[in-house]
Formats: sequence, C-alpha cells, structure tokens
Amino acid sequence: DTGVSQNPRHKITKRGQNVTFRCDPISEHNRLYWYRQTLGQGPEFLTYFQNEAQLEKSRLLSDRFSAERPKGSFSTLEIQRTEQGDSAMYLCASSLEDRITYEQYFGPGTRLTVT
Amino acid sequence: AQSVTQLGSHVSVSEGALVLLRCNYSSSVPPYLFWYVQYPNQGLQLLLKYTSAATLVKGINGFEAEFKKSETSFHLTKPSAHMSDAAEYFCAVSDNTNAGKSTFGDGTTLTVKP
Repeated sequence: DTGVSQNPRHKITKRGQNVTFRCDPISEHNRLYWYRQTLGQGPEFLTYFQNEAQLEKSRLLSDRFSAERPKGSFSTLEIQRTEQGDSAMYLCASSLEDRITYEQYFGPGTRLTVT
Repeated sequence: AQSVTQLGSHVSVSEGALVLLRCNYSSSVPPYLFWYVQYPNQGLQLLLKYTSAATLVKGINGFEAEFKKSETSFHLTKPSAHMSDAAEYFCAVSDNTNAGKSTFGDGTTLTVKP
C-alpha cells in the first residue's frame, strides 16, 4: 500500500493558462474524490468517481473544470483558462466501496497558484 | 443537507494540558463522523471515525472523541498535549446516502506552548 499520490505537488501558472493535475489512488480502491481547499477553510467536495464513472459534480465545478478517470485507475483534473480565484490546494482521496464507513484516504495535495 | 461547525478557529494549550476541540454537526440521517489532522503543506490524515458503533471512539496518537446525539456533537479530546500535536484539525460528516463524500468544518488550528 503506497498511499494516494498526487502530481505535481506545486504548480504556478499565469492567468488564462490550462493546468492538469494527476491523482493515483490506492490500487484496490474503486472510489476517487476531488476536493478543493482554500486558505483557512476545510476541503470542499468537487466531484467523485466510482470506477471510471463520474457520478456527481459539485456546483463549484464550473465549465472550466473537467475530471476524468480512464479505466478506473488514476484520475486527472484539468482547469482551463485559469483565474486567480482557482488558487487553492486540490486534494484527492480514495476509498473502497464500503457501505459501513466510506473511510477516505487523502493524498498530499497539489497547491495551485495563479498569478 | 449536512453541515459541520467547529467552534474556535484557534485553540492554544500548554504542553501536558488537556486538548478539547469542538465539533457540532447537522445531518438528516444517521451520520458518520470523522476527525482529520493536517500538517502544513500535507494532505489529511484520519485520526478517528464514528460509524454508529461505540459512542466513545479512540483514535491514533492518544486522541478520542465522543458522539453525543442529543447534543449533535463530536468533540475531540486528548488528555495531555504534546508539541507534535500542533496542527490543523478538521471535523467531517458523511452518511450512507451521499456515496461517502464528506462535508468538512473550517478547521481548528491547535497551538501547543512549551
């Protein structure tokens, strides 16, 4: 069990550029979640996948955001035409479908700074 | 809809003193409750969880929390603070109707004074 990994750990980009983040979940976990965390706040849910299917998207996820999980393994989160308000920590979590606990394991996050 | 309120964005204690971090939740169905710790520039680490079994839950690093349905609370405690406990703590709620996605509080920053 190598844990959830995220790449890159830090990304600085200029406003208007596109960025893509990657999340590699724990290998046997079939659920994968993306959260966004801004300074001084708790993580906010963005979207989640069960296997390769994206089953729910938050209203926080504007049209500029897209997430994929091809083959139900790793996931990517792309932000197009970045804005300064997109600056945040993007957290990925994975879990094993479990009707009892839904315990999530978090990655270290990708910190995005839009200048 | 679910929500979490963490009372006190900053808590400061002396090393060796009791740690008490407060969390109140709102949920229309029986909740699952979690406490996470986050160190600077790192992800969240699960401290403990309540899943409708025992109301007093013991976690890692000497932390425990008690689920009180009548008070809709899930406060986190540790009898004796250690310098290494200084971090940000998040309370979260989920349930079995929302596919496990969690709603988090805004966090409490714990400072431990020597």
